[in-house]
Formats: sequence, C-alpha cells, structure tokens
Amino acid sequence: EPEVTQTPSHQVTQMGQEVILRCVPISNHLYFYWYRQILGQKVEFLVSFYNNEISEKSEIFDDQFSVERPDGSNFTLKIRSTKLEDSAMYFCASSGGLQETQYFGPGTRLLVL
Amino acid sequence: ILNVEQSPQSLHVQEGDSTNFTCSFPSSNFYALHWYRWETAKSPEALFVMTLNGDEKKKGRISATLNTKEGYSYLYIKGSQPEDSATYLCAEKGWGKLQFGAGTQVVVTP
Repeated sequence: EPEVTQTPSHQVTQMGQEVILRCVPISNHLYFYWYRQILGQKVEFLVSFYNNEISEKSEIFDDQFSVERPDGSNFTLKIRSTKLEDSAMYFCASSGGLQETQYFGPGTRLLVL
Repeated sequence: ILNVEQSPQSLHVQEGDSTNFTCSFPSSNFYALHWYRWETAKSPEALFVMTLNGDEKKKGRISATLNTKEGYSYLYIKGSQPEDSATYLCAEKGWGKLQFGAGTQVVVTP
C-alpha cells in the first residue's frame, strides 16, 4: 500500500542552524501539506502546496520557513535559522484531491538546542 | 465553539468493553470531519472522512457518527481489544487545511 515517507526520523540541531526536512508523498497525489506538533499541544497546520506553489499558510509559517518540490517525488520543508521554539514533530501529508483524505507520514522529530 | 475539542482527554477500557468519545467542532462553514488513529512512532492512520449531517461510517469494530447542525461527532469502539490502544484524533477540514483536536488517548487493558 502506498505511503508517505519522511526523513530523517530524528534531527538535532543548534539554534540558528538551517534544517531541511524531507518527504516523499504518495506518487499520484497533487496536494501536499506540512503540519507540526509541539510536545503537549495540538497538531497544527503550517502550509499547503499545490501546482508548485503555496496555496495556504498559517501565521506560524513566516519568512524563516519555505517549502519546495525540487523534483517529481520529494517535498521539502526548510527552516532557515532554527529557534528553540521550532522543536516539534513535523508531519508531511498528501492527498489526491483538495477534499480527499490526507495521508500522513510518520513524522520527523526536530530538537533545537 | 471556535476550536476543535475532544473529550475525554484519555480513557481506560477493559478488553471486551465498548466505549465512545466526542469531537466538537465549529458548525459554521463546515466541509468535512476527519478521524485518525495514531499509535506512537507510526503515521496517523486515516479512519473516516465524514461530510453529511447524519453520516454514519463503520470500519470493523470502529464506527463514527456526525451531527453538523450541533457540531459534534462520536467515535465508537465495540468490543475493545488491546490493539485498539492509540490516540484518536479528529480534525475539521476547512478549505484545505485540517484543524485538529487534542486527541483522546485510549488504553485497552487485558
């Protein structure tokens, strides 16, 4: 069964460093998403991406964040200069249509020291 | 209700017992309500997408109902088994994004 994969599963970085989180969505899906969950809080939406551009973003998704689909399979989230408060589990999701089920990857746990 | 809320936060169930829990959501501008099952270190697993008032969906021993007029959904587990232990998340779908509740953690003890 097709699934969303994410790498790495864990990442530890120093404050101020850049990180890139990688995702391989389900191959025939068209809509891609990033969510995150800070420990003890709700899963929260960051950004959605369709047709090679951002379709919606939350107030969390400021200039420090960017997304890219560099080739036909990968979908990346870059945090330019990480802050302590960026420590969270980051989830990638994809869906075949705007109103269809979003399928989630297993997440990348990011720890910023 | 402005946010998606789930109750209870956690519950313990004896194996073989049935249980249910609630998701409340803003009832204006409703598109869909999603349920996910999430085990630690795994991907959240999609259970149901519910769109119509009065919808009732079933997957094995798990079922869900939807009331869009009053803004709630119930998820039922019949004859709980240890493998049902997980966090159950509901999320209201806006135009694109999902707005999640905090989840109900279910622990089924043999």
